[in-house]
Amino acid sequence: GAGVSQSPRYKVAKRGQDVALRCDPISGHVSLFWYQQALGQGPEFLTYFQNEAQLDKSGLPSDRFFAERPEGSVSTLKIQRTQQEDSAVYLCASSRDTGELFFGEGSRLTVL
Amino acid sequence: DQQVKQNSPSLSVQEGRISILNCDYTNSMFDYFLWYKKYPAEGPTFLISISSIKDKNEDGRFTVFLNKSAKHLSLHIVPSQPGDSAVYFCAASEWNNNDMRFGAGTRLTVKP
Repeated sequence: GAGVSQSPRYKVAKRGQDVALRCDPISGHVSLFWYQQALGQGPEFLTYFQNEAQLDKSGLPSDRFFAERPEGSVSTLKIQRTQQEDSAVYLCASSRDTGELFFGEGSRLTVL
Repeated sequence: DQQVKQNSPSLSVQEGRISILNCDYTNSMFDYFLWYKKYPAEGPTFLISISSIKDKNEDGRFTVFLNKSAKHLSLHIVPSQPGDSAVYFCAASEWNNNDMRFGAGTRLTVKP
């Protein structure tokens, strides 16, 4: 498709479960970002890839969060042993450079 | 620490009038600023940007003003249309820095 695609759109997990969120960026976009958006807040930076290299993971809130982009295209954000405070919308964005970001629709995670 | 602040969570204007959305930032190293627009259940979409070498950038009905000394920017929409009703996020970063910071957003409602 022409835009950034994320799946699943909605995920309900029991506390302690592992989840994996997928992002398909726009073809040809070398930069890929993950953001976490809590209710009523703006997106908070999690991590950044340039091609397959994870150049910045300073925003990941704990070592339970892990992201990869092994072939420089599709990326997966994995959250291990989910906690209730992980409930948020996880936004993926891609760009040709580090200017304008093109966002996906987000994956809404609810941890019970 | 919130480096980008949008102090008005909501704004309501009449169709045809001007909408003014405000944003303040604290990091003097920021030199690239963007506005994103977000409809429900969609990811944010890029609207307009400005770099610190300018104090104004105009694109159709949308104009962004930057006051570097006050660390303040604003988005003007003239004339406002009902389709402009959305949440508007202000974002800022250092040039070519992947860590883009977002404000909490302002929900704009344009009444017919």
